[in-house]
Amino acid sequence: QKEVEQDPGPLSVPEGAIVSLNCTYSNSAFQYFMWYRQYSRKGPELLMYTYSSGNKEDGRFTAQVDKSSKYISLFIRDSQPSDSATYLCALSLIKAAGNKLTFGGGTRVLVKP
Amino acid sequence: GAVVSQHPSWVICKSGTSVKIECRSLDFQATTMFWYRQFPKQSLMLMATSNEGSKATYEQGVEKDKFLINHASLTLSTLTVTSAHPEDSSFYICSAARLAGGYNEQFFGPGTRLTVL
Repeated sequence: QKEVEQDPGPLSVPEGAIVSLNCTYSNSAFQYFMWYRQYSRKGPELLMYTYSSGNKEDGRFTAQVDKSSKYISLFIRDSQPSDSATYLCALSLIKAAGNKLTFGGGTRVLVKP
Repeated sequence: GAVVSQHPSWVICKSGTSVKIECRSLDFQATTMFWYRQFPKQSLMLMATSNEGSKATYEQGVEKDKFLINHASLTLSTLTVTSAHPEDSSFYICSAARLAGGYNEQFFGPGTRLTVL
């Protein structure tokens, strides 16, 4: 069993719809949860970071963490064609700068005009 | 913002040659840099963790003699693929880490696409 599971997709939605992404994890020691967006042939860029259980909102993006269920989610409201990319969840055990991230496999999202 | 660059962005080489990839943090000092490898439609696979002034820590299954990592300064890490073969063809991405706002944030470079003929 992988440490972090993420549906590979592709997830196809019409423009303006809500995109719902999620990851499940097995190690309850993970404390920090991040979502990255990666366009084709580019490096990932950080979208959201959360620490505790609950919701965090930033513009059209909402991240949710449920530590009791070991489940994290990312919602994208009013999706745009420019949101078409691969979305990766990443988890970290501690906050030290040298601590490595454990990535999910990524979900490909396609927003159709 | 924090910017990480990689050079070259793509490289084609003959089998048996060595290729060096540079990773630079342009506007911050990174004590730790990471090297990843990514195959098409797959997630990032961590190859090694590189700390300035010390030997890199390699993940299990990664050949340290084949993938040489040097982290000579707080803004530069290099990955050298020695005696490259076609199976080494991949997308190599580095990241530079800093502690920001109380959490471990990694800033990723744009990646280097390596094709070995």
